[in-house]
Amino acid sequence: AQSVTQPDIHITVSEGASLELRCNYSYGATPYLFWYVQSPGQGLQLLLKYFSGDTLVQGIKGFEAEFKRSQSSFNLRKPSVHWSDAAEYFCAVGPGNTPLVFGKGTRLSVIA
Amino acid sequence: SAVISQKPSRDICQRGTSLTIQCQVDSQVTMMFWYRQQPGQSLTLIATANQGSEATYESGFVIDKFPISRPNLTFSTLTVSNMSPEDSSIYLCSGGRQGALNEQFFGPGTRLTVL
Repeated sequence: AQSVTQPDIHITVSEGASLELRCNYSYGATPYLFWYVQSPGQGLQLLLKYFSGDTLVQGIKGFEAEFKRSQSSFNLRKPSVHWSDAAEYFCAVGPGNTPLVFGKGTRLSVIA
Repeated sequence: SAVISQKPSRDICQRGTSLTIQCQVDSQVTMMFWYRQQPGQSLTLIATANQGSEATYESGFVIDKFPISRPNLTFSTLTVSNMSPEDSSIYLCSGGRQGALNEQFFGPGTRLTVL
């Protein structure tokens, strides 16, 4: 069965520091992987996605993620965090035009 | 990309009543889904909204409690029936196009509080 694990429930980083959010997945075939961000009181916004090809994918707002098949991971990174990045981040997996399976999310807090 | 809107954005309801949430997509999508996000939790799929036919429900969700309609490719409704405080959640709809990069776009969600 498909599953997504986000080991970190809550992460706090200083503004300007680098960020890495972890995501591990379980999927029987080549996965389609996504990272979404949810700001307080808002819906989900797609940050980036991986289907195939280059394992390092670039997204919006300066985020990137690296697909590592050997580790079943798709970690999200940002070199310098801004206060506006404080939000909930969800990793998701799916084969495409079917419902996504979401991780439990990681809440990011940014301090001055 | 597709722009998805939902109405209402939030509501406070009394137990035993029903609320219908509307989801409108600005362009045709092949697939539409309804998710529930309980407080502090991740998203759980309720059902796939099928155009012109009955929705496909996930385990733990039933049509009598969450009737769904999808009369055309760009519109769907979810009704939360006979509500109880346990139904307090954010309800999100999403849409995706077949073969179009296989990504789903999400609406802003409807925040429901049941007293």
